[in-house]
Amino acid sequence: NAGVTQTPKFRVLKTGQSMTLLCAQDMNHEYMYWYRQDPGMGLRLIHYSVGEGTTAKGEVPDGYNVSRLKKQNFLLGLESAAPSQTSVYFCASGAGAIETQYFGPGTRLLVL
Amino acid sequence: LAKTTQPISMDSYEGQEVNITCSHNNIATNDYITWYQQFPSQGPRFIIQGYKTKVTNEVASLFIPADRKSSTLSLPRVSLSDTAVYYCLVGSLSITDSWGKLQFGAGTQVVVTP
Repeated sequence: NAGVTQTPKFRVLKTGQSMTLLCAQDMNHEYMYWYRQDPGMGLRLIHYSVGEGTTAKGEVPDGYNVSRLKKQNFLLGLESAAPSQTSVYFCASGAGAIETQYFGPGTRLLVL
Repeated sequence: LAKTTQPISMDSYEGQEVNITCSHNNIATNDYITWYQQFPSQGPRFIIQGYKTKVTNEVASLFIPADRKSSTLSLPRVSLSDTAVYYCLVGSLSITDSWGKLQFGAGTQVVVTP
């Protein structure tokens, strides 16, 4: 099992460009999450999904959109990147609301 | 709104026991407490989870008092490889819940020296 994988590992964007981060899990988990991690801020929840076809906003959803068309994939989109979105993005999945979250290796995004 | 507070950093020597306390005064009845470990350039990794009293596994113990307003992660006999950031997570989510029901603490940097 690969667990949780994230694509790409690193990306540089110019302000205003768009991109999609892909998260895939092979553990048949219902729950999936997108977090961002900034120095001194810990992990902040961007969006999450409790099952295929569902999405919900987290703590910092502005500037991001998500889709969960397939159970195993959770996509995070940036429509118009801003320097404030420079961060490390982590995807996680879990079997249920209180179950352990399994994290991916992260995507480093730099917006110039 | 679930909010978690934990110390920014802790130093220890090899072989000592490290105890990290997380404060979560607004914990809800259905909330569980979970601790994660994170090494540089990696995603967080599950350590232990509990609801009340004491939980122990092969790497750590988790102590939760009766009022559940705090929890203490105990790492016995730490080694250099335990140098990492430790996060406390309180809460759970359903599609109808507010994001505030899932709160990571800001993390505690533990540095273990010889």
